[in-house]
Amino acid sequence: DTEVTQTPKHLVMGMTNKKSLKCEQHMGHRAMYWYKQKAKKPPELMFVYSYEKLSINESVPSRFSPECPNSSLLNLHLHALQPEDSALYLCASSQDRREETQYFGPGTRLLVL
Amino acid sequence: GQQLNQSPQSMFIQEGEDVSMNCTSSSIFNTWLWYKQDPGEGPVLLIALYKAGELTSNGRLTAQFGITRKDSFLNISASIPSDVGIYFCAGRNNAGNMLTFGGGTRLMVKP
Repeated sequence: DTEVTQTPKHLVMGMTNKKSLKCEQHMGHRAMYWYKQKAKKPPELMFVYSYEKLSINESVPSRFSPECPNSSLLNLHLHALQPEDSALYLCASSQDRREETQYFGPGTRLLVL
Repeated sequence: GQQLNQSPQSMFIQEGEDVSMNCTSSSIFNTWLWYKQDPGEGPVLLIALYKAGELTSNGRLTAQFGITRKDSFLNISASIPSDVGIYFCAGRNNAGNMLTFGGGTRLMVKP
């Protein structure tokens, strides 16, 4: 089983809203990732969690706040987003941070109005 | 920073034709991965390569890890309509633990 699940699949929010994206994996992976992907572009890394601790933040604005409640779950809290934040948000996991093979979830398509 | 150059950017082929795409890097990589992404979905891992010179197949797909460790190619034989999508290469080197992605190859197949 190489499944990473993400909810919701689609999200529309206003610039003053607070919302959260959720990601879950039950493969026993200890590294989890958030990526942002714009249309026709490759995924761009946002955050990396390793053993439930934030290990990489790729200079992401503070209106994006990640959280890793346990080894299977990864959240991305959104607040005061801008229209240019509209994108596909992808979660991925790997065995650990040194393991190259990452498995991606289906993504959440976010539209900020 | 390092970049992966993926080519071609797009291909429009006839069903049944073979397809080839490649990625090159200015620096050495230890791992090459090939993903396929359908519209509105996440990338799906097709093939992972861990050793220079390695040639790996997955059904009609074949990928190779270049001997110089700076390139990789993906071939698709006898293309079918469901091969349509965007194919991304991704690589990882020793210096960091993160993947670097190529720009993607958009494949369109005409029935």
